[in-house]
Amino acid sequence: DTAVSQTPKYLVTQMGNDKSIKCEQNLGHDTMYWYKQDSKKFLKIMFSYNNKELIINETVPNRFSPKSPDKAHLNLHINSLELGDSAVYFCASSQRSAGELFFGEGSRLTVL
Amino acid sequence: GENVEQHPSTLSVQEGDSAVIKCTYSDSASNYFPWYKQELGKRPQLIIDIRSNVGEKKDQRIAVTLNKTAKHFSLHITETQPEDSAVYFCAVWDGYNKLIFGAGTRLAVHP
Repeated sequence: DTAVSQTPKYLVTQMGNDKSIKCEQNLGHDTMYWYKQDSKKFLKIMFSYNNKELIINETVPNRFSPKSPDKAHLNLHINSLELGDSAVYFCASSQRSAGELFFGEGSRLTVL
Repeated sequence: GENVEQHPSTLSVQEGDSAVIKCTYSDSASNYFPWYKQELGKRPQLIIDIRSNVGEKKDQRIAVTLNKTAKHFSLHITETQPEDSAVYFCAVWDGYNKLIFGAGTRLAVHP
């Protein structure tokens, strides 16, 4: 059973387009996250949700809009894609604060 | 806010040698310090963690040490094997609501 799953795994799109990435966890965790990993492998937190409520928004451009329909799902929609958005986006979840993060497989976004 | 620095950025060792990666942090309120391993093309996975009330923790060939006074913690891998080759990330829980990662160390273990 996959603990944290995200789709799609790969996205290739043109500048200016809009795209979405979906994430689901079956671990029963209350907190979910989106991290961005750039080409230099740096992992930077973007958003965190606890029980469907946004608790962290790390000065991410408002072209990025997360949505959590329930505590098992956290989706990421990106408008007007730019070249600099190319990265691997990881979804993660944790049972509690200051606890292990369980990452999804990542979604590699390439903007041309 | 919290600042996490990780050194070295790359590390090359011979199989069987030990490897040490060090991280420093800035906020004394931080209280949870995990280490993640990311193999090529894979997701990061937790390999060991330590909390601020403990100075050292071991799990087989890996160990983490924490010096709260100096605000640094280190990952120690003994008897390295080729399958230890990966990018290793330290992370710091900022004491409030987020985990901040170091920039990563690319470890290469040569047979």
